Amino acid sequence: EPEVTQTPSHQVTQMGQEVILRCVPISNHLYFYWYRQILGQKVEFLVSFYNNEISEKSEIFDDQFSVERPDGSNFTLKIRSTKLEDSAMYFCASSSSLITEAFFGQGTRLTVV
Amino acid sequence: QQQVKQSPQSLIVQKGGISIINCAYENTAFDYFPWYQQFPGKGPALLIAIRPDVSEKKEGRFTISFNKSAKQFSLHIMDSQPGDSATYFCAAKGEETSGSRLTFGEGTQLTVNP
Repeated sequence: EPEVTQTPSHQVTQMGQEVILRCVPISNHLYFYWYRQILGQKVEFLVSFYNNEISEKSEIFDDQFSVERPDGSNFTLKIRSTKLEDSAMYFCASSSSLITEAFFGQGTRLTVV
Repeated sequence: QQQVKQSPQSLIVQKGGISIINCAYENTAFDYFPWYQQFPGKGPALLIAIRPDVSEKKEGRFTISFNKSAKQFSLHIMDSQPGDSATYFCAAKGEETSGSRLTFGEGTQLTVNP
């Protein structure tokens, strides 16, 4: 069964450093998403990406964040100058269209120390 | 207006019992309502979803009831099993004209005792 894969599963970084979280969406999907889940809280939307550009972003997704599809298979989330409050589980998701199910990856746990 | 409110925060049910989780929304542009199941250390996985043209959808032991006028929907898990112990999130999304984001509820931690 096709699945969304994320690497690494756990990333520890120093405050102020830059991190790149990587995702391989399901191969025939066209819409890609990043969500965040702070420990014990709900899942929050960050950004959606379609046709090589951001189609929607939340208030959380400020200039500290950027997304990229560097090649035909990877989808990345870059967080510049990480802060303690960026510590969370980050989920990548993909869907074949806007009205079909979004499939989530296993997540990357980011810990900022 | 983008919020989805979910209750209860936690739920303990005996094996074989019925688990009921409720959600309410405000945004009338929402027209897709999925429920996700999440096990510790895993990503959310779609369990069942409903669109507002029907009032109920059943898949196996899982049923969504939808009340459009009250802007509420609920998940019923019949014959609850210990393997159902997980966190359940309701969510809502508008269709193409309302954006692609899923708005999640706060989550319900379900424990099914053997």
